[in-house]
Amino acid sequence: DIQLTQSPSSVSASVGDRVTITCRASQRISSSLAWYQQKPGEAPKLLIYPPSRLQNGVPSRFSGSGSGTDFTLTISALQPEDFATYYCQDSNSFPPRLTFGGGTKVEIK
Amino acid sequence: QVQLVQSGAEVRKPGSSVKVSCKSSGGTFSSHFITWVRQAPGQGLEWMGTIIPVFGTVKVPPRFQDKVTISADTSTSTAYIEVTRLGSEDTAVYYCARAATEYSGSDFDYWGQGTLITVSS
Repeated sequence: DIQLTQSPSSVSASVGDRVTITCRASQRISSSLAWYQQKPGEAPKLLIYPPSRLQNGVPSRFSGSGSGTDFTLTISALQPEDFATYYCQDSNSFPPRLTFGGGTKVEIK
Repeated sequence: QVQLVQSGAEVRKPGSSVKVSCKSSGGTFSSHFITWVRQAPGQGLEWMGTIIPVFGTVKVPPRFQDKVTISADTSTSTAYIEVTRLGSEDTAVYYCARAATEYSGSDFDYWGQGTLITVSS
């Protein structure tokens, strides 16, 4: 089974900072990953879907890239509403399979 | 606009079972994968299984195969997850989510509000 390892597990940053989150897969992934944002007490929100496309309504400061086993989520200029936990996700459709990374918490510095 | 509305919080005793519902409205139901994910307090997201309602196909990861039953009623656009032999480790928020694209399970754009299941004696 594919495992996804996110790093760092947490990061402290200031408004305006550029933040990069890495997601490494235990084996090569044929497509790319989805990325979700989750705030406390809320359901996850889809930010980016394969292949690195921004979900409707998601600000352009978010971007995803990568291929093979190494993927990144970048927030180009952190905003106050971006403080949250971020998860990468790999999947297969037939048969269905989902794998999540362990999460990266973006905290206020 | 698609909405997924889940049943309310439950408290269960160890060894018992619980069934959570997820009713979809607005948009098609049968052709979109519905997946169940849980989140224990302070922990990450854990996939519990997926159903493709139009095919009746269910996939549950090996660690949950003897513990979880996933079903769907296309006539009411409702999906269900039943978790059996509950233990304290099953205390979590359970989410349903709908895949963004028909006949694809690559990303999930609509989520239920979550259902807190507490297992306590």
